[in-house]
Amino acid sequence: KNEVEQSPQNLTAQEGEFITINCSYSVGISALHWLQQHPGGGIVSLFMLSSGKKKHGRLIATINIQEKHSSLHITASHPRDSAVYICAGWRNEKLTFGTGTRLTIIP
Amino acid sequence: DSGVTQTPKHLITATGQRVTLRCSPRSGDLSVYWYQQSLDQGLQFLIQYYNGEERAKGNILERFSAQQFPDLHSELNLSSLELGDSALYFCASSKGVGQFFGPGTRLTVL
Repeated sequence: KNEVEQSPQNLTAQEGEFITINCSYSVGISALHWLQQHPGGGIVSLFMLSSGKKKHGRLIATINIQEKHSSLHITASHPRDSAVYICAGWRNEKLTFGTGTRLTIIP
Repeated sequence: DSGVTQTPKHLITATGQRVTLRCSPRSGDLSVYWYQQSLDQGLQFLIQYYNGEERAKGNILERFSAQQFPDLHSELNLSSLELGDSALYFCASSKGVGQFFGPGTRLTVL
């Protein structure tokens, strides 16, 4: 079993829809990162969470430590949100990555 | 712009060759991390340096080595290259837990 598992693998939605990407992780992971990777390949760090909830613009990330589960939400999705979203767990000074969710927003 | 720079942006070389990838961290960041992203393996942690010392090691092959210099820039050396080493190589820097990623070096081994 992977330390970090994401779902769904692919997600296609219409512009304006509310998007949820899920991530579950194993014991020992102390913090969760959400990353965004655009088609050009560049990676942007969106959030780092060890508890609670964080919000930045239309993006919201939550984490439930008891359930070892995190979600990334995008409100009022836009075609420019199309990217691969990756969650990564922090343990022993290393990041372990999920396989990513490829999000496509159709105008 | 994350403040992390990587050179070169693209590198094309042949099997058996050796290459060096360079990373300059954000000003003040002491930690540098190297990652490999290949089509079949996804993103994988290779190695971390903190203030010149190796701090953590991941799935780094023996043919690969890295170092961090006194000015905190880091180099990843890949030798005896194989076709399977073709990938995107990212470095990231941090002061703590959060990381800032460089734009990556795309390595193609022919």
